[in-house]
Amino acid sequence: AQRVTQPEKLLSVFKGAPVELKCNYSYSGSPELFWYVQYSRQRLQLLLRHISRESIKGFTADLNKGETSFHLKKPFAQEEDSAMYYCAPLRVHTGTASKLTFGTGTRLQVTL
Amino acid sequence: NAGVTQTPKFQVLKTGQSMTLQCAQDMNHEYMSWYRQDPGMGLRLIHYSVGAGITDQGEVPNGYNVSRSTTEDFPLRLLSAAPSQTSVYFCASSSGRVTGNTIYFGEGSWLTVV
Repeated sequence: AQRVTQPEKLLSVFKGAPVELKCNYSYSGSPELFWYVQYSRQRLQLLLRHISRESIKGFTADLNKGETSFHLKKPFAQEEDSAMYYCAPLRVHTGTASKLTFGTGTRLQVTL
Repeated sequence: NAGVTQTPKFQVLKTGQSMTLQCAQDMNHEYMSWYRQDPGMGLRLIHYSVGAGITDQGEVPNGYNVSRSTTEDFPLRLLSAAPSQTSVYFCASSSGRVTGNTIYFGEGSWLTVV
């Protein structure tokens, strides 16, 4: 069954410290993975997707098929990075709809 | 271009009451869905739709109904509200059924059932 696991509910780091938000997936096909972010009292928004191989706000994420992981990383945390982060795989059904299932989320807290 | 619009933003219901959460998008997206967000549970899919007239259940559909009479609108109905339905509800939309499409979310609806 498709499953996304974000093992940490809360990750607290100091400003300037490296950040790694973990995401592991269990998936029968080839996933297309995303990270979504929700800042306080705001709507969820796309942070980055693995197919773009992009860096957004200093964050990167590499799809590791061997380890079935898609960890989100940033070398130096900033206070404005404090938010809820969701890992999301997309399952594709040939000829039918795809359901987007999210992980349980990790709250990142960046402190001074 | 307003994106995804949800109403109401806040609502208090009594147990047993029914209500409808409205969701509209102006991006001509085929795919729309409803999630609930609970502490420690993340986002859980309630129902989704791949186009007008087509809906399907997600992970937690019990107690909720949906319909998709137009491409733009995807209302979520609580048939008989229960305290367990106290949550934050998010509507989302994206283009088509294919992979790689960004999901756009509404601002959320905070629902309390007493």
